[in-house]
Amino acid sequence: KAGVTQTPRYLIKTRGQQVTLSCSPISGHRSVSWYQQTPGQGLQFLFEYFSETQRNKGNFPGRFSGRQFSNSRSEMNVSTLELGDSALYLCASSLDGVREQYFGPGTRLTVT
Amino acid sequence: GQNIDQPTEMTATEGAIVQINCTYQTSGFNGLFWYQQHAGEAPTFLSYNVLDGLEEKGRFSSFLSRSKGYSYLLLKELQMKDSASYLCAPSDGGSYIPTFGRGTSLIVHP
Repeated sequence: KAGVTQTPRYLIKTRGQQVTLSCSPISGHRSVSWYQQTPGQGLQFLFEYFSETQRNKGNFPGRFSGRQFSNSRSEMNVSTLELGDSALYLCASSLDGVREQYFGPGTRLTVT
Repeated sequence: GQNIDQPTEMTATEGAIVQINCTYQTSGFNGLFWYQQHAGEAPTFLSYNVLDGLEEKGRFSSFLSRSKGYSYLLLKELQMKDSASYLCAPSDGGSYIPTFGRGTSLIVHP
């Protein structure tokens, strides 16, 4: 069974721009969560989608948004990028959001 | 919210046993995950404890005490490839979302 895939793997953007990241979960998994990982803050939860609905949300500003499609693929959007948004963005899929999560390789975003 | 405490760094010798402790304080609790993360890679699932007690899976075992807000990950017969960060992640009782600790960086030397 194929694992979680994320595209692109690397991105360089300028402050003020917006960016869209994509995640394809493991086949059959209906829950997709997004995390931001930085050396200073560790792994922080952004949001979780289940059956095309945002089911849980972390403490991030409204500039961070996401969606999930009927095939469970998910996208995350960050608008008006700030330097502090530079991080590794990880997507994780789970069968139901209760059991273990399987992480994708991440998208490394650099904001200059 | 959840407060999670685990050592920042530990070192051990190849072939030895190491125990990584994690204490947590939560407003609601469902279970506790342990993940392994090698440098530059994504976290990978190791274990999930819901009930009190020890669960063994090969060289790795995980223990949970719900009443004490305490868990540990036990690694036996350490190998060089076990050098990684180990993340303790209690999951919320309502949302089931895991909150990740800062991780324990384990260095295994010959």
